[in-house]
This record gives sequence, structure tokens and C-alpha cells, in this order.
Amino acid sequence: DTAVSQTPKYLVTQMGNDKSIKCEQNLGHDTMYWYKQDSKKFLKIMFSYNNKELIINETVPNRFSPKSPDKAHLNLHINSLELGDSAVYFCASSTGLAGPYEQYFGPGTRLTVT
Amino acid sequence: KNEVEQSPQNLTAQEGEFITINCSYSVGISALHWLQQHPGGGIVSLFMLSSGKKKHGRLIATINIQEKHSSLHITASHPRDSAVYICAVKAAGNKLTFGGGTRVLVKP
Repeated sequence: DTAVSQTPKYLVTQMGNDKSIKCEQNLGHDTMYWYKQDSKKFLKIMFSYNNKELIINETVPNRFSPKSPDKAHLNLHINSLELGDSAVYFCASSTGLAGPYEQYFGPGTRLTVT
Repeated sequence: KNEVEQSPQNLTAQEGEFITINCSYSVGISALHWLQQHPGGGIVSLFMLSSGKKKHGRLIATINIQEKHSSLHITASHPRDSAVYICAVKAAGNKLTFGGGTRVLVKP
């Protein structure tokens, strides 16, 4: 009964390829997020969706495109992968966006670009 | 300078010791989160605070809004508490800004 799930857990690919990471939550939450954790373990927000609408879009290269087909899913597509994209990507969800809501994290996807 | 600063960066304790991790932030916030990341990589939310103090088992989190400071305490520490503890604040724009984490190692 995983609350927030991500696939794949590991992704190894070559520079220039296009890849997707999928995220699903079964908590009935309205808000979903993508975070990037770099090699120094520093977490940073990338995107946030609320009810399928893009709310937060940090200064992320436009090679990264989130897609939310419904409230329970937020997928991350990455085009023309670069070495610097290697990181762990975490999906998360919360009840809402504006309030003091706890966030629930997925297990992470370790992306390695060679 | 990061908006969220944690100290110490690394901490080693003997089993049973009392551990304190500090988090200072420089912006107005609506909430502060304490997260735990285990060596396997998963992230778990421990606390969310907007004022005062919360306790869960051996973990205690406090926040002083006026001083822009929060502490996470672990009482009677155990090797299974070994993890990275991350402070995150929710500020303008409703986004979380994270501290650099405190790596805690509890030795038996």
C-alpha cells in the first residue's frame, strides 16, 4: 500500500536521450511536487502541481517538462539528457499547497547519465 | 548564504546520548518541516511546525518564530537513528526551501 510510488527506481542512460519518470500517489492529495537532490544531497524544488495545474516552476531547463494527466499522477519528462542531470529525483504529495500540510515523499529515482 | 542553515553538518554520538540539531532561517515562514533521510535514500516527514513544540516518541521538535530558529532533539539515541536530518521551511510562493542536512551517526 505504497502512498507515493515512483518508477523506475534506477535509470541509467546516455547523454542526449529522452527519458521519463513516473509518479503516482494514492492518498487523494491535490498537490504534487518534483524535487531534485544533487550529489551533495541538497534538495531543491523543481515543480509543483495543484489539481493538475502548474503552480511552481523553478528555474529548471525547459528540457524538463512535467505532465499531470490527473491529480494522482505527476510524470517528469526529460529531453536531451546531460551529465549534469544525474541526481536523485523525488516526487512528493500533500493535501494542498497553501496551508501547513505535511508532504509525503516517494522513494526516489536515481538517474545516472553517462 | 542559504536561506536555511543547519548545524552541525555532521554529528557522531554514542548510543543513549541526547542529540540536538539546529536550524536557522532568514525569511518569514508559514511552516517548518523536519525530514529524515535514511542511508537507503527514502525521505520521511518527522514533524511539521508553525509554533511551539511537538513530540513523537524519542523525537522532540521546537520552533521559535521570533528568533527564526528550530531545534530537533533525539533523546536516548539509538543506532537506528543514524540518518540525515533535513530542515525545510515553507515561505513565500508556498514552496519548500531545504537546509543542507545534518548527518547523524549513532554508535553502539
